[in-house]
Amino acid sequence: QQQVKQSPQSLIVQKGGISIINCAYENTAFDYFPWYQQFPGKGPALLIAIRPDVSEKKEGRFTISFNKSAKQFSLHIMDSQPGDSATYFCAASSVRNQFYFGTGTSLTVIP
Amino acid sequence: DSGVTQTPKHLITATGQRVTLRCSPRSGDLSVYWYQQSLDQGLQFLIQYYNGEERAKGNILERFSAQQFPDLHSELNLSSLELGDSALYFCASSVGWGRTGELFFGEGSRLTVL
Repeated sequence: QQQVKQSPQSLIVQKGGISIINCAYENTAFDYFPWYQQFPGKGPALLIAIRPDVSEKKEGRFTISFNKSAKQFSLHIMDSQPGDSATYFCAASSVRNQFYFGTGTSLTVIP
Repeated sequence: DSGVTQTPKHLITATGQRVTLRCSPRSGDLSVYWYQQSLDQGLQFLIQYYNGEERAKGNILERFSAQQFPDLHSELNLSSLELGDSALYFCASSVGWGRTGELFFGEGSRLTVL
């Protein structure tokens, strides 16, 4: 059973465009929602994270939007750049420190 | 640099063999996680340890086993290897139990089974 569902599987965006990746979860015990960025051959690295007490968190060109009632959260990458081309994973965690990852989105930003 | 160290970075072996992957967590982190990532696949959770004790098990095969030692480093043992075990194996660490926090990943160990 997939605890966190992620879409789309792949995404192609023009340079300067907005990339949007969506995730949904079922377990209301989750209280930490990070996004990880992974480049080929590298380990995933934390990009941005949010807790359910806020609806939005912005760090530079990256924004998480969080909808607690819908149990959904999304990553928005503004002014997407070729260097943003990577695989992005959403995740959810609870105080039990078990992390559940989405299936990943392969983002390609075309120059 | 995440502070999580994994060795070896690359490993090539034959079917039926046994290998051990090693992970040193970030300083101060008590929880260690192992993930498997096959080609173009997501991160499959294998197992989690906290301060030497197994805390959660995911899709870990019976041929695989892990442990966390008193110095908090962890080892993942893969035995009777099959071609399908070829993958990137990631170790990750976090501060511990009772509060959520960031998960830090190592660079991974790439296992190739021929």
